[in-house]
Amino acid sequence: DIQVTQSPSSLSASVGDRVTITCRASQSINSYLNWFQQRPGKAPKLLIYAASSLQSGVPSRFSGSGSGTDFTLAISSLQPEDFATYYCQQSYSTPFTFGGGTNVEIK
Amino acid sequence: QVQLVESGGGVVQPGRSLTLSCAASGFIFSGYGMHWVRQAPGKGLEWVAVIWYDGSNKYYADSVKGRFTISRDNSKNTLFLQMNSLRADDTAVYYCATCGDDCYSGIEYWGQGTLVTVSS
Repeated sequence: DIQVTQSPSSLSASVGDRVTITCRASQSINSYLNWFQQRPGKAPKLLIYAASSLQSGVPSRFSGSGSGTDFTLAISSLQPEDFATYYCQQSYSTPFTFGGGTNVEIK
Repeated sequence: QVQLVESGGGVVQPGRSLTLSCAASGFIFSGYGMHWVRQAPGKGLEWVAVIWYDGSNKYYADSVKGRFTISRDNSKNTLFLQMNSLRADDTAVYYCATCGDDCYSGIEYWGQGTLVTVSS
């Protein structure tokens, strides 16, 4: 099975900051990497699919990059509604594993 | 708009069975693969199972293989998860969700989830 390691597990940032979250797969997954946002008590929401494609309706301050084993989610200017937990997920092969999550908190 | 409504959760004793349902609307259900994803209280997301749009392929997480069965009824726009031999560590909110254009394209739309508690 492919393992997906996300870092950091948590971070503190201020409104307006640039934030990056990384995800590393245990083997090459080409660009089969997706990013989700989950606010407390809510269902997850797809932000980025295929490593760098922005899901319809998602603000352009979110961006994804990477291929192979190393991937990054960037938020260019953190907004109050962006404080949430973020997960990466590989969809290269089953089981479609998730990373452990990154909790983005207000500094 | 896409709507996914899970039902069937509740409290169940260890070793017993439970079946979850997910009623889909707002899209052509028979054209999309579907996932089940779960989240234990205070924990991260865990992918559980996926079924192809026509039911031809089904895949499971190692943690549920042999105990859970994913199925669908395209005539009723409904997804199911049959859960047998339930254990305490199966306690979680269970989400149904749609595949993207195919099931290697991520998880696009999510329901609000149904809570399953396995406890004596």
